[in-house]
Amino acid sequence: DVKVTQSSRYLVKRTGEKVFLECVQDMDHENMFWYRQDPGLGLRLIYFSYDVKMKEKGDIPEGYSVSREKKERFSLILESASTNQTSMYLCASSPTYRDSPLHFGNGTRLTVT
Amino acid sequence: QKEVEQNSGPLSVPEGAIASLNCTYSDRGSQSFFWYRQYSGKSPELIMFIYSNGDKEDGRFTAQLNKASQYVSLLIRDSQPSDSATYLCAVNRNTGRRALTFGSGTRLQVQP
Repeated sequence: DVKVTQSSRYLVKRTGEKVFLECVQDMDHENMFWYRQDPGLGLRLIYFSYDVKMKEKGDIPEGYSVSREKKERFSLILESASTNQTSMYLCASSPTYRDSPLHFGNGTRLTVT
Repeated sequence: QKEVEQNSGPLSVPEGAIASLNCTYSDRGSQSFFWYRQYSGKSPELIMFIYSNGDKEDGRFTAQLNKASQYVSLLIRDSQPSDSATYLCAVNRNTGRRALTFGSGTRLQVQP
């Protein structure tokens, strides 16, 4: 069974802090994704990666960066946290075969005060 | 226009009834379609996916796809209170990206 693990379930950070959200998958999936989920807005894609050291911007990359140094790990970085980045962050992974579904981690609820 | 649209609900059905959840999408080149279920405070879990026009059945769930109308639906037969959740429609658009585009979800309430 695919396991996608996010390092923190809840995080509280202060405005201006640099924040790291970590995600690890154990199924040797090529693709990894970061989404954020807000009420009424659904899941919105922040960044994704289809290979080690490769990354592509999603629909809302502003204020975020990512790192993928190893295949199993995909990190989301908030360079200078702001209150409008308070959200649920969901990491997902998928293999490369055509139209494969996403497997999600348990999510990290980030609050920026 | 949103790329993937769903009625936010809540959709309320009595136990044992058929729940019908609908989704429309704007990108005519979209290739595959997924339904996820999300319980409150939990992450989305895949229910089923469909690629071809027509119906696809899996247990109590049936996905229906009509590419000409750009419409995909999920039917849940014999609805149970445990089916109460938010149902997310997701689309793999023909953009070369491997990410899915999600609708904002429909909240389903099954009344005992």
